[in-house]
Amino acid sequence: SYVLTQPPSLSVAPGQTARLTCGGNNIASLSVDWYQQKPGQAPVLVVYHDSDRPSGIPARFSGSNSGDTATLTISRVEAADEADYYCQVWNSHIDEGVFGGGTKLTVL
Amino acid sequence: QLQLQESGPGLVKPSETLSLTCNVSGVSISSSNYYWGWIRQPPGKGLEWIGSIYYTGRTYYNPSLKSRVTISLETSKNQFSLKLNSMTAADTAVYYCARGEHTPSDFWYWGQGTLVTVSP
Repeated sequence: SYVLTQPPSLSVAPGQTARLTCGGNNIASLSVDWYQQKPGQAPVLVVYHDSDRPSGIPARFSGSNSGDTATLTISRVEAADEADYYCQVWNSHIDEGVFGGGTKLTVL
Repeated sequence: QLQLQESGPGLVKPSETLSLTCNVSGVSISSSNYYWGWIRQPPGKGLEWIGSIYYTGRTYYNPSLKSRVTISLETSKNQFSLKLNSMTAADTAVYYCARGEHTPSDFWYWGQGTLVTVSP
């Protein structure tokens, strides 16, 4: 089974840049999606196919994927960005969907 | 406008089978090239993909749950369902239904989720 590793927590001051990482063996060969989840709410897709944004997602959210690490970058962090963030891949080699353990982003 | 809504029992006894339904409105589940999936989240923990079904009926299951899971389409009601047997306390979670756009697990639209507790 494929494993995605995310740091449990990250703290960033408002206006700064948050870089959330998602590690996996040769993750660059897979397409990575990122979800934002606020307490008591369903997750919201913020980045798909490594770096594309669904309509309505601010351009402050961007993604990249290289080697063994995918990264979600949130520029000019706002208080409203405080949430849990999950990376996710579809491992087509064995037809398996995998979520990372999630990173709790705290805006100081 | 696409909407998904989970329904089912909030309490299940150990060893019993959980049956959940996801009612879909705004699109026909049988005529669109989408995946329909189930995801769960134990209290205070992360997300776990349970499985998905393509509009053709092809299913994809989490290997760790495959022996206990059945996902099916109910096209006449525009619903899809989840059955998870041999429930234990470890299956206590919020269960979400969702729609996958390009793969069985890239979920663009989600239901609000329903809490299922396993307890005697």
